[in-house]
Amino acid sequence: GENVEQHPSTLSVQEGDSAVIKCTYSDSASNYFPWYKQELGKRPQLIIDIRSNVGEKKDQRIAVTLNKTAKHFSLHITETQPEDSAVYFCAAGNSGGSNYKLTFGKGTLLTVNP
Amino acid sequence: DVKVTQSSRYLVKRTGEKVFLECVQDMDHENMFWYRQDPGLGLRLIYFSYDVKMKEKGDIPEGYSVSREKKERFSLILESASTNQTSMYLCASSLSLSGQFSYEQYFGPGTRLTVT
Repeated sequence: GENVEQHPSTLSVQEGDSAVIKCTYSDSASNYFPWYKQELGKRPQLIIDIRSNVGEKKDQRIAVTLNKTAKHFSLHITETQPEDSAVYFCAAGNSGGSNYKLTFGKGTLLTVNP
Repeated sequence: DVKVTQSSRYLVKRTGEKVFLECVQDMDHENMFWYRQDPGLGLRLIYFSYDVKMKEKGDIPEGYSVSREKKERFSLILESASTNQTSMYLCASSLSLSGQFSYEQYFGPGTRLTVT
């Protein structure tokens, strides 16, 4: 089955700095890569996703890049703000076979210090 | 707005008890999921269902079973609760688009289960 590794497990940055979280996956059939944000005490929510036919996607201060050859994808947050503090999860899924299942990474606790 | 609700936010049960966790979604989603969330272990899939009465094991199904008798409702059952099942349980649902990958999963608020 799919295995998703996520690094780092914790990340602390100063407000205004950039933050990068990296994930690798094992199943070359995976073609969908979402990122979820979970604020303290709240439910995870999708913030951005990318499909395998795209190398990069951007939405305001957040961007995701995908390298299918190397089987890794990354989340980039620029100009970080205190409200970006949360746990971020990457995930991988594929549209063949069990096409309704995601495999999640273990999460990254991002702390943005004012 | 998609709404996924779970029957309890907090639950305390004794070892050996049978425990039911219920999840309801109101957006006619085909797919429903049960995860457990533990510090440092992320979201681990217990079971999922892609249609009424259909279910598939996830990565950690041992000690759990599920039931989906209606499209909007997905139940997680702990047949005999044990202390190592103390955890946060999250339900999620997603849409299946014919011929396409079902994308965003919408999560419920979670149930914090403590087994003593």
